[in-house]
Amino acid sequence: GNSVTQMEGPVTLSEEAFLTINCTYTATGYPSLFWYVQYPGEGLQLLLKATKADDKGSNKGFEATYRKETTSFHLEKGSVQVSDSAVYFCALSLTGANNLFFGTGTRLTVIP
Amino acid sequence: DSGVTQTPKHLITATGQRVTLRCSPRSGDLSVYWYQQSLDQGLQFLIQYYNGEERAKGNILERFSAQQFPDLHSELNLSSLELGDSALYFCASSAGGSRGYEQYFGPGTRLTVT
Repeated sequence: GNSVTQMEGPVTLSEEAFLTINCTYTATGYPSLFWYVQYPGEGLQLLLKATKADDKGSNKGFEATYRKETTSFHLEKGSVQVSDSAVYFCALSLTGANNLFFGTGTRLTVIP
Repeated sequence: DSGVTQTPKHLITATGQRVTLRCSPRSGDLSVYWYQQSLDQGLQFLIQYYNGEERAKGNILERFSAQQFPDLHSELNLSSLELGDSALYFCASSAGGSRGYEQYFGPGTRLTVT
């Protein structure tokens, strides 16, 4: 089947620390991969995406590389800010089937 | 602001009742998706409509139904409500076809069943 496994949270970091949130996937086809972010009380926002192997998605200082050999799409940021505190979801969709399969989400708290 | 609107923002109702959640997609988007976010099940895909027709079904209960109208807005109907239906319900839209399949989410409707 199709599924996404995310690193368990919550994650607490000090401002300017390096962030990694692990994400691995299982898919029956060739998926597109996404990171979504959910700020408190809000809906999900697309953070970045990658549609094929070795693609790197990036946005707002966040990066993730689509690694087919390890079926992974880990989210990284070199220096987090308090404003990055949110829940981060890794997700996949399959070619020809547009619905998203989500991981469980990882809550990030950044303290000053 | 994603351009996707959902009403109402909050809904409190009793077990056994029926409610309707409404979603207006971004201008020009043909696809609408419904997701349920609950503490125990996480974020789950319920159903997708494309230009008025059902395109894909996920973990949607038989007590739940949806439709997409000619003006492309969508409604999710939840009936015979149970305590376990309490959740955040998100709608998302995408353009589809050559314009891409990125999904843009609305702010959600929080349903509380008492």
